[in-house]
Amino acid sequence: DAMVIQNPRYQVTQFGKPVTLSCSQTLNHNVMYWYQQKSSQAPKLLFHYYDKDFNNEADTPDNFQSRRPNTSFCFLDIRSPGLGDAAMYLCATSETSGLLDYEQYFGPGTRLTVT
Amino acid sequence: DAKTTQPPSMDCAEGRAANLPCNHSTISGNEYVYWYRQIHSQGPQYIIHGLKNNETNEMASLIITEDRKSSTLILPHATLRDTAVYYCIASFRDYKLSFGAGTTVTVRA
Repeated sequence: DAMVIQNPRYQVTQFGKPVTLSCSQTLNHNVMYWYQQKSSQAPKLLFHYYDKDFNNEADTPDNFQSRRPNTSFCFLDIRSPGLGDAAMYLCATSETSGLLDYEQYFGPGTRLTVT
Repeated sequence: DAKTTQPPSMDCAEGRAANLPCNHSTISGNEYVYWYRQIHSQGPQYIIHGLKNNETNEMASLIITEDRKSSTLILPHATLRDTAVYYCIASFRDYKLSFGAGTTVTVRA
């Protein structure tokens, strides 16, 4: 019954070592998002894909990249993780069609630890 | 997106209605009010959204004032599983959600 799947749930990486987080969806939604949530803070949108169109938030560091090879999958790449990048990373999806917008469905998140 | 203001925390007794206020005095005419909640260690979950009219679904009711400057989320019969952080978001489009600090709701037995 899983709809938005994130793997792994917990990821440990070393300072400066590239890491990739994965998200997949079974909902066939056209929009996919990545959020960063640091401890005791609200989720913060990093970027989103509207179909194949990538939309970066203005304050998202260049260290963060994303790929969406097909409708179902989206990846978050952190090129050189710093200690400040330790956070929960949330993937979400939604169906957006014309003037109608629908709710976002979130995955359980991947908690990233940087050592 | 319009800024929203919520109380940082509130307690509620199990079985009673929980009324969560949200101020959005600068909301524009085409911005919706969305409510999401986040249970500890889980991803946020959509609850309800509305533009002008009051809305109700199986989870909650949303009451929006006539001038749209504030709204109230009502959980009709709070349970312990409703303990979570509740986010009120004003947004023109769903895909530009900006989460604020939210209200930490604790339901007590």
